[in-house]
Amino acid sequence: EMQLVESGGGLVQPGGSLRLSCAASGFTFSKYGLHWVRQAPGNGLEYVSAISANGDITYYANSVKGRFIISRDNSKNTLYLQMGGLRAEDMAVYYCTSDGFDIWGQGTMVTVSS
Amino acid sequence: QSALTQPPSASGSPGQSVTISCTGTSSDVGNYAFVSWYQQYPGKAPKLMIYEVTKRPPGVPDRFSGSKSGNTASLTVSGLQAEDEADYYCSSYAGSNNYVFGTGTKVTVV
Repeated sequence: EMQLVESGGGLVQPGGSLRLSCAASGFTFSKYGLHWVRQAPGNGLEYVSAISANGDITYYANSVKGRFIISRDNSKNTLYLQMGGLRAEDMAVYYCTSDGFDIWGQGTMVTVSS
Repeated sequence: QSALTQPPSASGSPGQSVTISCTGTSSDVGNYAFVSWYQQYPGKAPKLMIYEVTKRPPGVPDRFSGSKSGNTASLTVSGLQAEDEADYYCSSYAGSNNYVFGTGTKVTVV
């Protein structure tokens, strides 16, 4: 079964940092691009970041550019999102999803509050 | 990049059809055949229902269909069932490795 499992969410103060992880199983991880999508409480989906299969191409939404870094370790079948300079508006459930958006993780909640 | 515009809500009786619109621009929906639709239950991850405007992933009932005309894409749910009550989102490729999602539509089966 193809699966993505996020971890690393939690409570962080404004201006703080957090690293999310997304562990993949059931498919050839190194062949596919991956994305991060977030959903603030009660709100819609927002596209955050993407990375190519070998990690050489990345994309960031304007709202996170310069503060977030996406990366992957194909030897560990794991996707990462390093988040810095966190703001109240970054508070959301963060989902990792596959190229084609056909596989989604269960999401991990990031709370930004003092 | 602005979110694609969807109606906040839509409803129908069991067995009826409901159609949800997704309006973008010539930079996203109007320019690419990469429109997708997702179903989301409260507290759950989105589920892909339609991709590349009209295609259904394995396991998605053929009651779900997609179309596009100009800058507007649509999702139609025919033969509405109680389990179709959920939030629905569209998305479109917008060029340069960027995607944009819709504002979301809550479908109620009355």
